[in-house]
Formats: sequence, structure tokens, C-alpha cells
Amino acid sequence: NAGVTQTPKFQVLKTGQSMTLQCAQDMNHNSMYWYRQDPGMGLRLIYYSASEGTTDKGEVPNGYNVSRLNKREFSLRLESAAPSQTSVYFCASVPGSRNTQYFGPGTRLTVL
Amino acid sequence: AQTVTQSQPEMSVQEAETVTLSCTYDTSENNYYLFWYKQPPSRQMILVIRQEAYKQQNATENRFSVNFQKAAKSFSLKISDSQLGDTAMYFCAFMEGSGNTGKLIFGQGTTLQVKP
Repeated sequence: NAGVTQTPKFQVLKTGQSMTLQCAQDMNHNSMYWYRQDPGMGLRLIYYSASEGTTDKGEVPNGYNVSRLNKREFSLRLESAAPSQTSVYFCASVPGSRNTQYFGPGTRLTVL
Repeated sequence: AQTVTQSQPEMSVQEAETVTLSCTYDTSENNYYLFWYKQPPSRQMILVIRQEAYKQQNATENRFSVNFQKAAKSFSLKISDSQLGDTAMYFCAFMEGSGNTGKLIFGQGTTLQVKP
């Protein structure tokens, strides 16, 4: 099993560009999450999907959209990137709501 | 809203010694879960230990153990016989037990350096 995979690992964007971060898990998990990690801060939840077909906002959703494409895949889209979105982005999944989350390796995004 | 606080931004310990990382949290719930995650320089988030609030017994995983004080809302991590590979950032995290969201709320992290 590959676990949770994220692409790309690194990305540099210019202000105003758009891009989609991809996340996939092969563990048949129901719930998936997107977090961002800024220097000196813990991870903060952007969006989550408790089950296939549902998505909900987390703590910091502004400037982002998500799509739960199927049970395996959960993508995060930046429609018009801003320097404030420079961060490391983590995807996570969990089999059920009270289980331990498994994290992907992260994507380091820089917006110039 | 729940909050998690780690009051020690940085700590250091000599190899083979013991170190304790602090974490406090605020919640009005009675049923919840607490976690410690390790993030080495590779950036990967690795689960260290997990504690269910309804369990009185403190969780242990080899050299890692917790001191869970529910009334004080405190959840500290003790690392015994510290090894160089323990050098990492450590995050305390809270998960509510009610509802079906499974969301994690993280503290700010503590950077631990193990010195040879």
C-alpha cells in the first residue's frame, strides 16, 4: 500500500495563477482532510470530506475549493493564488471519524 | 471552540536522558481523543501516541508515554532514553469524540533537539 500520496511535492506560483493539489489514498478510508502548515504554527484545517460526496469548511477555507472526486481522491484548488497562501499543505485520511489520521508527505507551495 | 496550547516552542535534551513536552487543551466535551505527532525534517507527520479520554490509564508506546490529567486538561509527552532520531517537531492534537467529523486541532508545536 502506498498510503496517502500527494502531488506535486513542490510548486512555485505567481500571484493570480491557479493550481490543483492532488491527494489520493489506497486504504479505503472514508474521511479525508486538507491542512496547511505555516512557520511557527500547527496544522490548520482548510476543508474536509467526512464521506464520499460531502465536503465541509474547516478553520481557514477562504481562497480554496475542494472536490471529493471519489472515495480515493480529494483535491484542493487555488483559483487565484496569493502570497498569503505560501505554506506546506498536508492531506490526511482516516477510516472512521474516531480513528487516527494518516498523513501524506506534504506539498510545499510558494506564491511569489 | 476547542484550543490546544504548547507553551514550549523549543527544547533540548542530552542523548539517553528523559524529556517531557507539555500540552494543555480547552474543551467542554467529556469524550475526546488526544494525540502526539512527530514531524522530523523530512516533513512527514508520524503518529507517536494516542489517548482516549475515557481511559484512565496513560498510554505508552515503547520509550514514549503520556501523563493525561483530564481534570487539569493536560496531556504531556515523556520521551525516555532520548535518541538522536527523536530530533523533530512534536505536535499535540485534539479530536472531538462527538459528531462524525474526525477533525484534528493542533497545538503550535515544540521543536525538540537531542544532543549527542
